[in-house]
Amino acid sequence: GAGVSQSPRYKVAKRGQDVALRCDPISGHVSLFWYQQALGQGPEFLTYFQNEAQLDKSGLPSDRFFAERPEGSVSTLKIQRTQQEDSAVYLCASSLVGSHEQYFGPGTRLTVT
Amino acid sequence: DQQVKQNSPSLSVQEGRISILNCDYTNSMFDYFLWYKKYPAEGPTFLISISSIKDKNEDGRFTVFLNKSAKHLSLHIVPSQPGDSAVYFCAASGEGSTDSWGKFQFGAGTQVVVTP
Repeated sequence: GAGVSQSPRYKVAKRGQDVALRCDPISGHVSLFWYQQALGQGPEFLTYFQNEAQLDKSGLPSDRFFAERPEGSVSTLKIQRTQQEDSAVYLCASSLVGSHEQYFGPGTRLTVT
Repeated sequence: DQQVKQNSPSLSVQEGRISILNCDYTNSMFDYFLWYKKYPAEGPTFLISISSIKDKNEDGRFTVFLNKSAKHLSLHIVPSQPGDSAVYFCAASGEGSTDSWGKFQFGAGTQVVVTP
């Protein structure tokens, strides 16, 4: 079956631009997570949704970062006024409720110039 | 504050031999641990997990050992195969609280290269 998909796979933005990153989770997966992975590091938790409810956004690094999942399926991570330090791979993962096993998408590599 | 540490950035092992990957954690509230495998340009894929009520979990060629007193876990791959060449991430969470459910902290990863 289809896995988690993310788009775009690559995004180059000029500093100060806004970007929107999309995640299509596995159908039926209630839980959705966003992670940020800097070069040479492991993924770092950003935020977590259960259906459309954002239950935890403690990992969002600043108020320039905003995530939504209005219908409990597709999610969008938006970064406003991008900065160079936002350059990273942004990973989305989904899981069944109550399961620890998260299925990751391929990520979106964001480069801010 | 890095609560999950993988101190070996890389590991080279011969095909057929054992690969041992190590992971240390500092938070005593962590009670669920996973290993993920990642190929270039792909997202991490789940490999194996262990709950703190166990000290060992085995799945085919992969075995995870947990030493709670030392706050240490390891992943053994026996025998190693060329297709095992990838980056391996250790991750931990404190599942006892709904606040921390699914909120995994990852180590920096270990690049494994299996040579013929």
